[in-house]
Amino acid sequence: DQQVKQNSPSLSVQEGRISILNCDYTNSMFDYFLWYKKYPAEGPTFLISISSIKDKNEDGRFTVFLNKSAKHLSLHIVPSQPGDSAVYFCAASPNYGGSQGNLIFGKGTKLSVKP
Amino acid sequence: DTGVSQDPRHKITKRGQNVTFRCDPISEHNRLYWYRQTLGQGPEFLTYFQNEAQLEKSRLLSDRFSAERPKGSFSTLEIQRTEQGDSAMYLCATGHYEQYFGPGTRLTVT
Repeated sequence: DQQVKQNSPSLSVQEGRISILNCDYTNSMFDYFLWYKKYPAEGPTFLISISSIKDKNEDGRFTVFLNKSAKHLSLHIVPSQPGDSAVYFCAASPNYGGSQGNLIFGKGTKLSVKP
Repeated sequence: DTGVSQDPRHKITKRGQNVTFRCDPISEHNRLYWYRQTLGQGPEFLTYFQNEAQLEKSRLLSDRFSAERPKGSFSTLEIQRTEQGDSAMYLCATGHYEQYFGPGTRLTVT
């Protein structure tokens, strides 16, 4: 059973417009959420994170929104640039007693930004 | 460059052979994680170290897999008697809440 779901395998956006990537989770024990970007043949690169006590975190062109009641988070990229084209992974960290912080990832969404 | 390095970057081996991968973490990070990623999937947790102690193992880590982190510095992941299903990208990460990944080792078992 997949605990972190990214239901859109791909997304295509025009340069300069907003990209919105979505992620749903099922486990209410998750307390920290992250977005990673991955280029082919490279490891994932950390982008932005959010704690469950917040509903928004912003870093430059990237903003993550968290809706705990809906168990949903989203990553907004404004404005989108061709260099943003990559696979984006949503990840969650569980807060069980004695949690070791291992991340649980979604399957990823491939973003293509067209010039 | 995250400061996490992995060696080798690519490994091709025949079924039944043993392979070993190495991860050199960011020096001030006590926590080190191993993940495996297959095509079309996100990274999946394998095991975790706090300094030199291996504190958690996933059920994905069969008896053929072993990991070490002597002296709490670099870590090695060994796969014995490799199978074709072991073909994947093996990723090392360090950090706590925000984990920083190395470039990975791509394993192909023929």
